[in-house]
Amino acid sequence: QKEVEQNSGPLSVPEGAIASLNCTYSDRGSQSFFWYRQYSGKSPELIMSIYSNGDKEDGRFTAQLNKASQYVSLLIRDSQPSDSATYLCAVNVSGTYKYIFGTGTRLKVLA
Amino acid sequence: KAGVTQTPRYLIKTRGQQVTLSCSPISGHRSVSWYQQTPGQGLQFLFEYFSETQRNKGNFPGRFSGRQFSNSRSEMNVSTLELGDSALYLCASSPRQGGANTGELFFGEGSRLTVL
Repeated sequence: QKEVEQNSGPLSVPEGAIASLNCTYSDRGSQSFFWYRQYSGKSPELIMSIYSNGDKEDGRFTAQLNKASQYVSLLIRDSQPSDSATYLCAVNVSGTYKYIFGTGTRLKVLA
Repeated sequence: KAGVTQTPRYLIKTRGQQVTLSCSPISGHRSVSWYQQTPGQGLQFLFEYFSETQRNKGNFPGRFSGRQFSNSRSEMNVSTLELGDSALYLCASSPRQGGANTGELFFGEGSRLTVL
């Protein structure tokens, strides 16, 4: 069974700090990786996608991918209370339109 | 542009009954996927439809089935409901073009099913 693992948290950070969210995956053939944010009672929404090793930045968000270590991370700079949500890591199963989601990390940004 | 629409939003059923959930994707999106979300298991892939054909399937029993219509709308059906089927069922559409994987899933608000 291909798996995606995340620390469930909660991860608590003070407002303005950097939040670091981590994800490991088991399928070495995976090529596409995604971070979704899910507010309580809402559906997931995509915030970042990454396909190549290294860093990808979008505003306050940076996704990092290391395929050799099978590791994906999301950094949120200048964290705001509005960033408080559950962050889901998703990995595409190579050659399919199937995505494996981690169980999510709950982030709490303290004002 | 209208988002992904799921109906009904909430429903309560009893064990042994069956349920049908509906999903209308974003206009122009031809791929529709279904996921089950529970507190313990997180988001689990049920199946994906593209051009009215099931292209991918998750590890769920045959009681879970689906279909897609020519207008890309999709339905999923769960027969002989069990208590463990209580969950949020999320539909996601994607602007998949043929074999190309654009990656992004756009989720609906979900249908919350409670089985008593």
